[in-house]
Amino acid sequence: DAEITQSPRHKITETGRQVTLACHQTWNHNNMFWYRQDLGHGLRLIHYSYGVQDTNKGEVSDGYSVSRSNTEDLPLTLESAASSQTSVYFCASSDLTSAEVNEQFFGPGTRLTVL
Amino acid sequence: AQTVTQSQPEMSVQEAETVTLSCTYDTSESNYYLFWYKQPPSRQMILVIRQEAYKQQNATENRFSVNFQKAAKSFSLKISDSQLGDTAMYFCAFMTQGAQKLVFGQGTRLTINP
Repeated sequence: DAEITQSPRHKITETGRQVTLACHQTWNHNNMFWYRQDLGHGLRLIHYSYGVQDTNKGEVSDGYSVSRSNTEDLPLTLESAASSQTSVYFCASSDLTSAEVNEQFFGPGTRLTVL
Repeated sequence: AQTVTQSQPEMSVQEAETVTLSCTYDTSESNYYLFWYKQPPSRQMILVIRQEAYKQQNATENRFSVNFQKAAKSFSLKISDSQLGDTAMYFCAFMTQGAQKLVFGQGTRLTINP
């Protein structure tokens, strides 16, 4: 069955370190998204991609970067981790056919703690 | 920019009761979509129901229904005959047509008591 996976599921790191969170989907979806979830804020969009070599900034992109070299993967990199980036991170994917909006499928999330 | 507001941080009802979760949004767009997502303790995000703004008829999925008031920019979720498995965080979300990006509300933590 097609799925979307994230790794690692839990990560503890130190301030200033570079961290990469992986997202892999086998739906063959064009669209991929990264959100962070914080209490009182719901989920907020970090970066998104509509296809290979396409990346766009979301609402809370400072301190994060993404690259899209293939359809299946959209890794999220924290260039220099900060305590404010302690959060739960969700990856999602979707596909757009004609004028219909399609459901976003979410990964299981990664809990990141920055000490 | 679009915003979504859920004014009820927490709600609690007894099993089998009906509960309504509130959501309001702000947008200048005319074509958009609204969603309710459920997040149980497992943390998995699950789509509960969605509504296309151009449709006047309110969406229904089994025990879940919405009251979509476009002029008032209101999109509430009604859960009938609530079950213990409905205990979760519920998020209201907005998407403009073509953008494919979701804007979420702050969430409502719903507890169903036996």
